[in-house]
Amino acid sequence: GEDVEQSLFLSVREGDSSVINCTYTDSSSTYLYWYKQEPGAGLQLLTYIFSNMDMKQDQRLTVLLNKKDKHLSLRIADTQTGDSAIYFCAESRSSASKIIFGSGTRLSIRP
Amino acid sequence: DTEVTQTPKHLVMGMTNKKSLKCEQHMGHRAMYWYKQKAKKPPELMFVYSYEKLSINESVPSRFSPECPNSSLLNLHLHALQPEDSALYLCASSHKARGGTGMGINEKLFFGSGTQLSVL
Repeated sequence: GEDVEQSLFLSVREGDSSVINCTYTDSSSTYLYWYKQEPGAGLQLLTYIFSNMDMKQDQRLTVLLNKKDKHLSLRIADTQTGDSAIYFCAESRSSASKIIFGSGTRLSIRP
Repeated sequence: DTEVTQTPKHLVMGMTNKKSLKCEQHMGHRAMYWYKQKAKKPPELMFVYSYEKLSINESVPSRFSPECPNSSLLNLHLHALQPEDSALYLCASSHKARGGTGMGINEKLFFGSGTQLSVL
């Protein structure tokens, strides 16, 4: 996950909001993504945002993008036990024609 | 059908074996990918096929040999692997091929559940 950084762990109480943060370095990135990976499974696309937007909301998920600071966040409202997973942010680099993943944040939910 | 199907789910092989991983999608996607994921790490891109042609090889050792027989199928042939090659191998597909200009491409990846490979 070079150049796309995330904190490794986050623990929240069930029902609270979770905020997972990500920083990236390539200012030419056009799309930024959040993927979820549950144990023993592949990655599932949760949501994405185009780089000319600063916010996108989709049910319990809110993505905030600060392009000036190259900072992306994912807020999960009313966090449930089913939200326990690893969350990867990713950037689409047109210059390299590929998607670069962050190191992943493991979200754990406590009762 | 919005699934990417990978077989087998688990594979144990010796260093002298030859095996193949298979991936299938019927979403009409024309880009398919192989990723390698070690435990507690992000996926690392290995290969990209665009319209059945190999478009990206991320300097992967030749003991890994990809093949795209048609637009729905992607194989990864394994030969003389090393124990450090043990990992989760993920296949993914996307609607558009890479390499666009202007606004860029929204490359939403659909992943399979992976093959957990152990090399003894």
